[in-house]
Amino acid sequence: GQQVMQIPQYQHVQEGEDFTTYCNSSTTLSNIQWYKQRPGGHPVFLIQLVKSGEVKKQKRLTFQFGEAKKNSSLHITATQTTDVGTYFCAGRPSGAGSYQLTFGKGTKLSVIP
Amino acid sequence: ETGVTQTPRHLVMGMTNKKSLKCEQHLGHNAMYWYKQSAKKPLELMFVYSLEERVENNSVPSRFSPECPNSSHLFLHLHTLQPEDSALYLCASSQGISDPGAFFGPGTRLTVL
Repeated sequence: GQQVMQIPQYQHVQEGEDFTTYCNSSTTLSNIQWYKQRPGGHPVFLIQLVKSGEVKKQKRLTFQFGEAKKNSSLHITATQTTDVGTYFCAGRPSGAGSYQLTFGKGTKLSVIP
Repeated sequence: ETGVTQTPRHLVMGMTNKKSLKCEQHLGHNAMYWYKQSAKKPLELMFVYSLEERVENNSVPSRFSPECPNSSHLFLHLHTLQPEDSALYLCASSQGISDPGAFFGPGTRLTVL
């Protein structure tokens, strides 16, 4: 079955430093979604990428979808303490009629003030 | 406020008990989902409902029984669970089953003794 690998598992950064998490799928994806889960909270949808090579920005967050539609990244510029949480990618495989959304294990971000 | 509510928020049950988890969405969405979140494992999709019809069952053991009486409500009936079923159970909804951005509820923290 489809697997989605996410690295790193943990990342500790000093406030103001940049942060990147990477997501790789074993199969081609029709789209990929990113979620953030604060400690003790529930996943919150951030964005969806659909097109090959797509890049989207949300303030300090930059999301990329690879040309082969098998990998993606989330980059945060100048982290703040409010960025703390676990960031998950979730991929939907190519192919008609698939409702599956396979999540990565997530990258837990800690920001040291 | 996510617009998706879940009750109870915490549940402790014995292996012989029968209990139910309830989810309600106030967003007018047509698709609802049950996910299981265990420590150190990716978020696992359990069931998908679209317009009150189950469209996906990811090989979930029969001790978990979903019910969707209408597009706003989703239940997960539990019986004869095992200790390894202890986890956070998250309900989510989206506009349609292929639409991006699932809105998650706060979850029910389940402990099976």
